Amino acid sequence: GAGVSQSPSNKVTEKGKDVELRCDPISGHTALYWYRQRLGQGLEFLIYFQGNSAPDKSGLPSDRFSAERTGESVSTLTIQRTQQEDSAVYLCASSYPTSGRTSYEQYFGPGTRLTVT
Amino acid sequence: GQNIDQPTEMTATEGAIVQINCTYQTSGFNGLFWYQQHAGEAPTFLSYNVLDGLEEKGRFSSFLSRSKGYSYLLLKELQMKDSASYLCAVRSYAGKSTFGDGTTLTVKP
Repeated sequence: GAGVSQSPSNKVTEKGKDVELRCDPISGHTALYWYRQRLGQGLEFLIYFQGNSAPDKSGLPSDRFSAERTGESVSTLTIQRTQQEDSAVYLCASSYPTSGRTSYEQYFGPGTRLTVT
Repeated sequence: GQNIDQPTEMTATEGAIVQINCTYQTSGFNGLFWYQQHAGEAPTFLSYNVLDGLEEKGRFSSFLSRSKGYSYLLLKELQMKDSASYLCAVRSYAGKSTFGDGTTLTVKP
């Protein structure tokens, strides 16, 4: 079946502009995650959606970052007034929900490479 | 919160065995995952431990000790294609995952 898809694959934008990144999770995966990965570094948690629960936004680095999710499908990550330090690969992942002591692996999309000039 | 530590880099020889360690301090532990990430690609799932002990899957094994906050990933019969970054991730009861910075493994002939 189809995996997690993200668009665009690459985005070059000027400092100060807004950008919107899109993620289509695997059908049936109610959990959705956004991460940021700077070159040569690990994954930095941004936000986590789980079904109809309030999202965990604890990883968003500033109020310029926001994310929405439509039901249990598409999610968009919006970065307003982009800065050069926002340049990174933004990865989206989805999984089945954690249930009791059972956790499920995350399936990652190919990422969006954002370059702010 | 979560704090995860892994070695930054490791080097090993083709055909050998390598162990990549991960230590963590966490609240609400609900599982530890290992992912593999080749350069320029997205991470892919390798293993999952929620109870103490060893989980084996082909050439890859993962061990967990919850009381020690410690896990390791064991790679046997190393191949050149195993050169990649290996990420340790801890899941909380709330479902949130926190990743370590990854260990870059270089396999040499």
